[in-house]
Amino acid sequence: DSGVTQTPKHLITATGQRVTLRCSPRSGDLSVYWYQQSLDQGLQFLIQYYNGEERAKGNILERFSAQQFPDLHSELNLSSLELGDSALYFCASSVDPLQDTGELFFGEGSRLTVL
Amino acid sequence: GNSVTQMEGPVTLSEEAFLTINCTYTATGYPSLFWYVQYPGEGLQLLLKATKADDKGSNKGFEATYRKETTSFHLEKGSVQVSDSAVYFCALIGYAGNMLTFGGGTRLMVKP
Repeated sequence: DSGVTQTPKHLITATGQRVTLRCSPRSGDLSVYWYQQSLDQGLQFLIQYYNGEERAKGNILERFSAQQFPDLHSELNLSSLELGDSALYFCASSVDPLQDTGELFFGEGSRLTVL
Repeated sequence: GNSVTQMEGPVTLSEEAFLTINCTYTATGYPSLFWYVQYPGEGLQLLLKATKADDKGSNKGFEATYRKETTSFHLEKGSVQVSDSAVYFCALIGYAGNMLTFGGGTRLMVKP
């Protein structure tokens, strides 16, 4: 058990819809990262938050947004969903700075299926 | 920018075979290098790491040596088990950086 909790574990929805994925980081970790894992593109970094503020942005589509709340949990919002958004979405947390340990603690992921 | 290249999978081996998964990187300065493993149905977890040239990281029978001259960090295990079946990711953090850059992952399948 990594200590990172993600909900829901599975989600099936239709094209054009909007979903919200939730993540609770490991106790004490201020940094939260979101990754997308699909079969053909491997692990793609989406966005990082540190203590409520956006710190780094990767290959995140404009249809996607995220935030980190004062209690440090984070939400990833995916809107106007397309078939190609079907993937496993991971949340990870870490101590800061990450370079001290290099260790990201991953949740079990939220599997999104868009039909 | 930083990048990590891994051999494409899947790699299929029989139990007790020797494993090598190749990883090479591009980075400025002196990055820290990592191997993460993803077991079926789970998130990634850190397997081993090395923070400077010639360091050897090891864990659970797996080893990798940081080779700056060849910019490589190949993962090895002398005798794989069925339970080692997973996807393995090579990764790096650039010098003074705060972001992990992952390779594409290599799926390992070990048959009894």
